[in-house]
Amino acid sequence: GAVVSQHPSWVICKSGTSVKIECRSLDFQATTMFWYRQFPKQSLMLMATSNEGSKATYEQGVEKDKFLINHASLTLSTLTVTSAHPEDSSFYICSARLGANSNQPQHFGDGTRLSIL
Amino acid sequence: AQSVTQPDIHITVSEGASLELRCNYSYGATPYLFWYVQSPGQGLQLLLKYFSGDTLVQGIKGFEAEFKRSQSSFNLRKPSVHWSDAAEYFCAVGGGGGNKLTFGTGTQLKVEL
Repeated sequence: GAVVSQHPSWVICKSGTSVKIECRSLDFQATTMFWYRQFPKQSLMLMATSNEGSKATYEQGVEKDKFLINHASLTLSTLTVTSAHPEDSSFYICSARLGANSNQPQHFGDGTRLSIL
Repeated sequence: AQSVTQPDIHITVSEGASLELRCNYSYGATPYLFWYVQSPGQGLQLLLKYFSGDTLVQGIKGFEAEFKRSQSSFNLRKPSVHWSDAAEYFCAVGGGGGNKLTFGTGTQLKVEL
């Protein structure tokens, strides 16, 4: 149980393109989803917290107009990297949590490798 | 603010040997603690978690961790390591504003055959 699917797993696109990444909880309803960014050989950096039906909460330093998050249902959250540039290249990982309390573990997707040429 | 320290960036052990990965946390109240494992190019898999109660928690794949409040530690252990355990291990603490997870910088485990 607690499977999170992330799609696509790998994206290569030209500079200026917008890229959408989907995060789905397959066998549970996720009140809260999280989006992380991970640089090579580094830890996960939380970008934003996404609650179903409300606006995402972005971490300090993360541009909300650059990284658009939509959490339209209890099983789907999307991250759109708008007008992507080479510095946006990274590994993006989503997670989903049942309930609002942090004693519920986050379940992670397999990540999306984004490469901007 | 909550924080997590994983002092060891890299650890190499021989297959069959015991393993201990260190994790120290900083948190004002009783923390929620987690250990995750990440294989290359993959997401994170939950190994085990601690919320309250018995300070020795059992997880998947033969891992266990012990919560020691006096030392602010939550070290991960395995009695006998398998080659398939080679991966990156992250300790995380939850709670606080927004119920967010704070991750340590990770420990890269290599297993020698």
